[in-house]
Amino acid sequence: QKEVEQNSGPLSVPEGAIASLNCTYSDRVSQSFFWYRQYSGKSPELIMSIYSNGDKEDGRFTAQLNKASQYVSLLIRDSQPSDSATYLCALEGDGNAGNMLTFGGGTRLMVKP
Amino acid sequence: EPEVTQTPSHQVTQMGQEVILRCVPISNHLYFYWYRQILGQKVEFLVSFYNNEISEKSEIFDDQFSVERPDGSNFTLKIRSTKLEDSAMYFCASRGTEGPIGYTFGSGTRLTVV
Repeated sequence: QKEVEQNSGPLSVPEGAIASLNCTYSDRVSQSFFWYRQYSGKSPELIMSIYSNGDKEDGRFTAQLNKASQYVSLLIRDSQPSDSATYLCALEGDGNAGNMLTFGGGTRLMVKP
Repeated sequence: EPEVTQTPSHQVTQMGQEVILRCVPISNHLYFYWYRQILGQKVEFLVSFYNNEISEKSEIFDDQFSVERPDGSNFTLKIRSTKLEDSAMYFCASRGTEGPIGYTFGSGTRLTVV
């Protein structure tokens, strides 16, 4: 049984600051990790994927993965009010394209102007 | 940008009635999924579908649920006899074997069982 844990928040940061979102998982077999953004009442929107230990950067977003510690994080630089949403951490199993995603409960981020 | 289309956006049904939720996945994708999210809770996997058959399903996906790909474009989720606890957002997702890794989710169908 895969478990994905996130602090539900809310995490409140001022505009322009760095937001740090964290996620831990229980399944050592998992190979693929994803961060989704979900606005209230909307569907999840893929932000980042990461498969290897270390950092992966895409614009203002950086995903960090540490498989030994079973930990994945998302940093959002220069946070904007439009970044206010719930951020979902998700993992997939052995890398097969057909594998299901297991989601965490999400962290609500509030960016204050 | 290609998208996954879901209809209807909102469906209200009486308990015990059958509902069919419809999805049109991205055309060159091969893997299709249904997830649901009860208000305030996690997104939960229901079922995955590949090569015209179910490849994996969760404990939630019991005999009341079925999926079908009746033609080359539509992917449907049927709930035979809805219960109050079936009220949720239902998301369809699809994934190809090439290109950006990750699932593309549809905009969802909000199902309300009264």
